[in-house]
Amino acid sequence: EAGVVQSPRYKIIEKKQPVAFWCNPISGHNTLYWYLQNLGQGPELLIRYENEEAVDDSQLPKDRFSAERLKGVDSTLKIQPAELGDSAVYLCASSPSTGGAEQYFGPGTRLTVT
Amino acid sequence: AQSVTQLDSQVPVFEEAPVELRCNYSSSVSVYLFWYVQYPNQGLQLLLKYLSGSTLVKGINGFEAEFNKSQTSFHLRKPSVHISDTAEYFCAVSSSGQLTFGGGTRVLVKP
Repeated sequence: EAGVVQSPRYKIIEKKQPVAFWCNPISGHNTLYWYLQNLGQGPELLIRYENEEAVDDSQLPKDRFSAERLKGVDSTLKIQPAELGDSAVYLCASSPSTGGAEQYFGPGTRLTVT
Repeated sequence: AQSVTQLDSQVPVFEEAPVELRCNYSSSVSVYLFWYVQYPNQGLQLLLKYLSGSTLVKGINGFEAEFNKSQTSFHLRKPSVHISDTAEYFCAVSSSGQLTFGGGTRVLVKP
């Protein structure tokens, strides 16, 4: 079974430029998560999808961040414009359901904003 | 609201020695508890989880954890570590589908 796929793995951009990250969850997983992980810290939830609906986006900085999950499968997270403080690892995870089901994580995208 | 505290940011340990990583949580509702491991430049991998039942949970790679409700703790242990256990370990709690992580404990296994 293929795991969660993320691309790109690494991205370097200049500040004020846009950037997008892509995630393909495990087949059949209805729930998809985007996390932000700063260096030396635990992941922090940005947004959670149930199928194509964003059910928890309270931690997403909506002035510059946006996300979509068309057709309830793949998802894209976008930042426009990027700031220096956005440098971090962006992790995608999926789960067959909410509640006690474990989350399966992708390898992440390491973003460096210069 | 829920929160997780990992009391040690870094734990150096010699190969074949035991290790314990401490985790305390707070929550106003019942929670599920998890330990994840993150190797360099990789995503998080589940080590073990507590949903209900026996408070001693066994996971992969020889790890185990004990849920203590009265002390709101979920400490992770391994009786004998290997060099390959060098990684960052995250404790997490989940309720209503939201996973909250601790700050992580970096384990450095020395030969």
